[in-house]
Amino acid sequence: SQQGEEDPQALSIQEGENATMNCSYKTSINNLQWYRQNSGRGLVHLILIRSNEREKHSGRLRVTLDTSKKSSSLLITASRAADTASYFCLPTLGAGSYQLTFGKGTKLSVIP
Amino acid sequence: DAGVIQSPRHEVTEMGQEVTLRCKPISGHDYLFWYRQTMMRGLELLIYFNNNVPIDDSGMPEDRFSAKMPNASFSTLKIQPSEPRDSAVYFCASRVVDEQFFGPGTRLTVL
Repeated sequence: SQQGEEDPQALSIQEGENATMNCSYKTSINNLQWYRQNSGRGLVHLILIRSNEREKHSGRLRVTLDTSKKSSSLLITASRAADTASYFCLPTLGAGSYQLTFGKGTKLSVIP
Repeated sequence: DAGVIQSPRHEVTEMGQEVTLRCKPISGHDYLFWYRQTMMRGLELLIYFNNNVPIDDSGMPEDRFSAKMPNASFSTLKIQPSEPRDSAVYFCASRVVDEQFFGPGTRLTVL
C-alpha cells in the first residue's frame, strides 16, 4: 500500500529554531498531506499540497513538494514548545485508487 | 459540528471477550477509516468504507476483526475473541474530498 516515509524519526530542537522534516514516497500522487499528532490524541490535518504545486505556506508552516524526487518537506519556523508532537505525511493517490496509510512519523521535541 | 465521535474512550477487557468500538463520522463525509496505533507497528489502516460500502479490508489482521457501517452516521469495529496483542489505540476518521478528520480514539487494553 502507498505510504510516506518520514525522516528523521526523531528531532529535538530549541524553542525558536526551525524544524525540518522530510517525506519520501514511491508512486505518482494526486496530493500530499501533513498531519500532526499530539501525544494520546488523534491526528490533525495541517496542510495539503497538490501535485502541481511546488510550495505552500500556512502560518509558520512551509511545505515543499518535488514530484521528480518523490519527496516533500515540512518546515516549521520559529518553533514553540506547543509544536512538540509527531508529524506524519500522507501521499494520496487519485480518487478510486485509495490505499492510504501513514508512515511512522517524525517525533519532534521542542525544548523551552 | 462535534467532529468524529468515538466510544468508548477507554476499554479494559479480558482475553476472550468480545469488544465493540463505535464511531460516528462527521455528517456529509463519504469516507470512513478505521486505524490501529501501537508503539511497535505505528499507525495501521485496518479498513475503510466509501458511502457505507467496505472498499479495502486488507489491513484487518485476522478473522477475529470485523467492521460494519449500517448507515452513513455509524460504524462499528468488533473484535471477537479479543487477545492481549489487540491492545492499542483505535482511531476512526472520516473524510470529505481529501482531508481526514480523526476521532479522539479508543484506548483498548486486553488483559
